[in-house]
This record gives sequence, structure tokens and C-alpha cells, in this order.
Amino acid sequence: GESVGLHLPTLSVQEGDNSIINCAYSNSASDYFIWYKQESGKGPQFIIDIRSNMDKRQGQRVTVLLNKTVKHLSLQIAATQPGDSAVYFCAEKISNFGNEKLTFGTGTRLTIIP
Amino acid sequence: DSGVTQTPKHLITATGQRVTLRCSPRSGDLSVYWYQQSLDQGLQFLIQYYNGEERAKGNILERFSAQQFPDLHSELNLSSLELGDSALYFCASSVEGTSGRIGFGEQFFGPGTRLTVL
Repeated sequence: GESVGLHLPTLSVQEGDNSIINCAYSNSASDYFIWYKQESGKGPQFIIDIRSNMDKRQGQRVTVLLNKTVKHLSLQIAATQPGDSAVYFCAEKISNFGNEKLTFGTGTRLTIIP
Repeated sequence: DSGVTQTPKHLITATGQRVTLRCSPRSGDLSVYWYQQSLDQGLQFLIQYYNGEERAKGNILERFSAQQFPDLHSELNLSSLELGDSALYFCASSVEGTSGRIGFGEQFFGPGTRLTVL
């Protein structure tokens, strides 16, 4: 069945370096993708989204890249800070006969090393 | 603070019982979403309401139901509780959700309700 998976469950990055979190999805019908950040004890926080008609979208210090050919999504965080330490989830939205479903990946724990 | 409030923060109950979780969306947001987060299942979308009407359904069990009231707050009802229902339940809200194509847009999550079923 459809699934959203992450290549790496944990990632450690030196403060100030750039980080890349990857996500693979399997449903070519997915038309919308979202990255969330979840800090310990808090609810997920929307970071950035991208529609399937785009390849790249930039936010503040974050960039999402979408490669539909290989069904791959990545989140790049520039100049990482201690506050970036969190679990990051990717999610894909599939629209099927008017019913929309959001499927989340299992998450990647990003640790920023001071 | 996302502006989304959820009550209660913690809930401990026994198997077979029924509980109600409450969510107040951000002011002006018409869409409310419910999610379940457990250690073995991760974050799962349950259901979405827009302006009082159900708009999208995810992995919501038949023992669970939700509704959105005229003042836009929402309740998630969980009945015949099982041990496996123990999880964090999050509510999120967003502005986006017109009568046409619904996009999830930017969602703002509440702090969650931690449900423990003993």
C-alpha cells in the first residue's frame, strides 16, 4: 500500500552547518506535501509545504525539494541552530474522489550539536 | 502558542469507557483536524471538519466520532476504549477550506491531549 518513509531515523549536525532530511513517498498521485517539526512535549509545527506542480520552495532558512521522478522529498535547513533540534515529519496528501487523506512519515530526529 | 487549545491535557481512563476530547481552533479558522500520535503508529490523520461539516476522513475507527459545532469548536469522542487507544491526540486548525478543492494549507496544532487507557 501507499507509504511515506524516511531514509534516516536520526541525524546529528554541527551547529551552523546545513542539514538535509530526506523522505520517500510511494504514491505518484500525491499532490501536496508538507514538512512538520515537533519539539519534545509539543504539537507538530508546520514548516513548509509544496504542491506537486513545483520542484522547489523556499522559506526562511528552509528549502523543500520535490523530485517526482524518484518520488523523493527533502527538507534543507540552512545554518542550523540549537532550536532546530526536533523530530521532523514529512506528509503527503492524496485526493481520491473528493476524499483527501494526509499520510505522515515516521519522523527523523534531528540533533544539533553545539 | 499556536492559538489552538485542547482540553483536557491528560486523561486516564479504563478499557471500555468513553471519553470526549475538546478543541478550540484559532480565531477565524474554519477547518479543524484531528490526529492520533502513538509510538507504534506515528502521527495519523483521523478526520477533518470545515465549518461544521465533515470534509475528509483518514484512519478513524468506527468507535471514534467527531463533530464541529456552530462556534467552530470540535469534539472527538472515543468509545469502547482499548489499551491500544492510548496515545496523544492532536487537534489542528487552518483557514483554508473553501467550498471547492480543499487544501490542507498551513495547519496550527494544539498542545495535544494525552490519553492513557488502563
